[in-house]
Amino acid sequence: GDSVTQMEGPVTLSEEAFLTINCTYTATGYPSLFWYVQYPGEGLQLLLKATKADDKGSNKGFEATYRKETTSFHLEKGSVQVSDSAVYFCALLYSGAGSYQLTFGKGTKLSVIP
Amino acid sequence: GAGVSQSPSNKVTEKGKDVELRCDPISGHTALYWYRQRLGQGLEFLIYFQGNSAPDKSGLPSDRFSAERTGESVSTLTIQRTQQEDSAVYLCASSRRDGGPQYFGPGTRLLVL
Repeated sequence: GDSVTQMEGPVTLSEEAFLTINCTYTATGYPSLFWYVQYPGEGLQLLLKATKADDKGSNKGFEATYRKETTSFHLEKGSVQVSDSAVYFCALLYSGAGSYQLTFGKGTKLSVIP
Repeated sequence: GAGVSQSPSNKVTEKGKDVELRCDPISGHTALYWYRQRLGQGLEFLIYFQGNSAPDKSGLPSDRFSAERTGESVSTLTIQRTQQEDSAVYLCASSRRDGGPQYFGPGTRLLVL
């Protein structure tokens, strides 16, 4: 079945450091890919998405490129801020057979220190 | 407009009791989803509703779990004879259409003692 694997955390970075959170997937066909973020005490929020190969999703300085050849969707940000501290979830959506469920990775907790 | 809302925000119950969780999707969103997030785990899909079509129940972990949805509005997730392993955050999401971005509610944190 479909699955998502993300790098295990927690990840601790200093402010203004470069961030990469790796995400790879296994799926039949060509899924849509998402990054969701969960800030402390808040619900899940959609951060960015990409629906086909080579698409780049971007939002709030974060970027991720849909790489079909490596089945990856790594999240990057050039300069993190303390306010980026959160748990980040990679997810895929495969719409085969009329099912539209998201399959999530286990999440990566990011802590950014001043 | 308003986002997805869920109630209650927290629920503590005793093992063996039934619980009912409620979700109000974003107005105009035809698709509704329930997920479960256990401590330290990713989200697990439970059930999906789309309009008047038969729901996709493939993620429900046992026959103690059931869900209903009235048209394209409120949904309730019922867990009968709760067990301690049912303790989790139950999240509801809705999307404007099949395959569209899913927007999540704040969740109901369930603790079964």
